[in-house]
Amino acid sequence: GQNIDQPTEMTATEGAIVQINCTYQTSGFNGLFWYQQHAGEAPTFLSYNVLDGLEEKGRFSSFLSRSKGYSYLLLKELQMKDSASYLCAVRDRDYKLSFGAGTTVTVRA
Amino acid sequence: DAGITQSPRHKVTETGTPVTLRCHQTENHRYMYWYRQDPGHGLRLIHYSYGVKDTDKGEVSDGYSVSRSKTEDFLLTLESATSSQTSVYFCAISESQEGSPLHFGNGTRLTVT
Repeated sequence: GQNIDQPTEMTATEGAIVQINCTYQTSGFNGLFWYQQHAGEAPTFLSYNVLDGLEEKGRFSSFLSRSKGYSYLLLKELQMKDSASYLCAVRDRDYKLSFGAGTTVTVRA
Repeated sequence: DAGITQSPRHKVTETGTPVTLRCHQTENHRYMYWYRQDPGHGLRLIHYSYGVKDTDKGEVSDGYSVSRSKTEDFLLTLESATSSQTSVYFCAISESQEGSPLHFGNGTRLTVT
């Protein structure tokens, strides 16, 4: 099966930066996705990486190293509304998308 | 937002009864998925569809069946519900398999008593 690991919880202060790490071991690789999920709501798509390097989208950036089976999501200038669960997901050789258990980020004033 | 509607949004049922959850999309996307989400496990794939009448199993398919008779509808059936199937069920759609993200419906909270 697939193995996708990310920290369970992180806490940061409003205006700060938080980095959420994700390591994976999957059968093949066809892309890595990050999703945001607020409590009681559906996951929403944040970013996609298929090649090594950094993808920047506003306050959010995502990095991928395929050789290390590693990605991170960087959240800058944290706002209270960024308090949510962040899900790392990897698409395997059969194009099935498997998810990590998610990292709950709490932003404090 | 992608046009995905799940019904019902909430359901309470008794052990041993059949249950069908519906996912309806207005995006004409080829791929549709059913996931369940449980604390500590994240989202786990139950079944998916890559076209009308074309379906395949995910990692937690036991006790579930699916049908897709039209592009826009993907049904998930629990033939005989068990308490272990108490969960939040999400339907998702994607336009393609390469590079295309999944977009999720709002979920169905199912409680089996």
